Order: sequence, then structure tokens, then C-alpha cells
Amino acid sequence: DSGVTQTPKHLITATGQRVTLRCSPRSGDLSVYWYQQSLDQGLQFLIQYYNGEERAKGNILERFSAQQFPDLHSELNLSSLELGDSALYFCASSVAWGTGNTIYFGEGSWLTVV
Amino acid sequence: AQKVTQAQTEISVVEKEDVTLDCVYETRDTTYYLFWYKQPPSGELVFLIRRNSFDEQNEISGRYSWNFQKSTSSFNFTITASQVVDSAVYFCALSGPLTTSGTYKYIFGTGTRLKVLA
Repeated sequence: DSGVTQTPKHLITATGQRVTLRCSPRSGDLSVYWYQQSLDQGLQFLIQYYNGEERAKGNILERFSAQQFPDLHSELNLSSLELGDSALYFCASSVAWGTGNTIYFGEGSWLTVV
Repeated sequence: AQKVTQAQTEISVVEKEDVTLDCVYETRDTTYYLFWYKQPPSGELVFLIRRNSFDEQNEISGRYSWNFQKSTSSFNFTITASQVVDSAVYFCALSGPLTTSGTYKYIFGTGTRLKVLA
């Protein structure tokens, strides 16, 4: 158990809908990351927050947004969902922002868009 | 540019065989970190090891060992006496110093699927 908690674990929704994935980082970790893992594209970095502020942006679509709240939990909002958004979404956390920090991953949220 | 290559897409071995998973990286930085993660069939990503660029000592943890060679830009992972529970996808990752855009990048390889057959 990494200590990173993600909910929901599984989600099935229809195209065009909007979903919110929630993440609680490990106790003491200030940095939160979101990754998308699909069969054909491997692990794709989406976005990183540190202590409530956005620090880095990866291949995150405009239909997706995220935020980190004062209590350090984070949410990833996915809207106007398409079939291609079906994937495993990981949240991860690390103590600080910077190189060399070990990133600990949650168990992921399986999203299926039908 | 930074890059991580895991050329072995899938490896199958019979239980008790030793297996080495290759990881080759590219970076121009002198300070960087390398990681290995395991993703079992249940899906979670489990951290295995972190190594910084100044520490070329090999590491052994039970049946797992890691061989870091800067001369060949490789950070290979060996499982000795493999077991069925070792079946998983293994990812190698690289992180480097601050980029010009003010971020730290973690670059993951595409993963190697290891199947250990009973």
C-alpha cells in the first residue's frame, strides 16, 4: 500500500459525460501528479501540483482540468468524454517538488467510456 | 532530449529462471535519477528502487538486483529464481534537473511485460 488513495476505483460512463476522479496523497506529501495509462500510449503525464499550485503540465487535453485543494487532496475533472478517454488514471504523490523525489502511485481509477 | 528505452516488450521465462530487464536511457544532464516500478495484473504501480547518477553501486534486494552502468547508460534489473508472482509489467523511469520551462520531468519507458510460467 503506497498510501496514495484514489476514488473511484472503477467508473463506467457514457460519451459526452463528465466525471471527477479524486486523490488523497500520502501523508506529508505536498506534490501530486496525474498520469493516464492507455493500452496504446503507455504512461502519459498529465499534470502536477505542488502545495496547491500547478507546477508542470504534460499532455493534458483542454477537456480535462485538475486542482489541488488546501488540504492537499486533488481532483481530476474529465468532461465531454470520448471513447478514447477510456484508460487507467493514476494519481501519484511525492514529498517535494523537484528532481529525484520518488513518486508513489495510487491504485488507479479505471475509466470506461461507452 | 531525455529518453528511456525498454526494448524488450515482453519476456517469458519458466519459474526459477533468472531474467534481466533492460533499460537504456538518454540524458545530457550530469545529475539525474533512475527508477524502477512494477505493475502487477491488478494494475497498481509499485515503486521498487531509486538510484542517483552519482551512485553506480549495484544494489541487491532479495531476489532483485540492479546494475547501473553510466558508461553504457543502462540501468538493468535482474530477478533471480523468478516466481509466478513476479509476473508484471516493469517500468524504468528517469528524472532530471530543472528544465528551461521550469519543470522537472519524469520520463517513463514503455514497460516490459514479464510472464513467469509455472
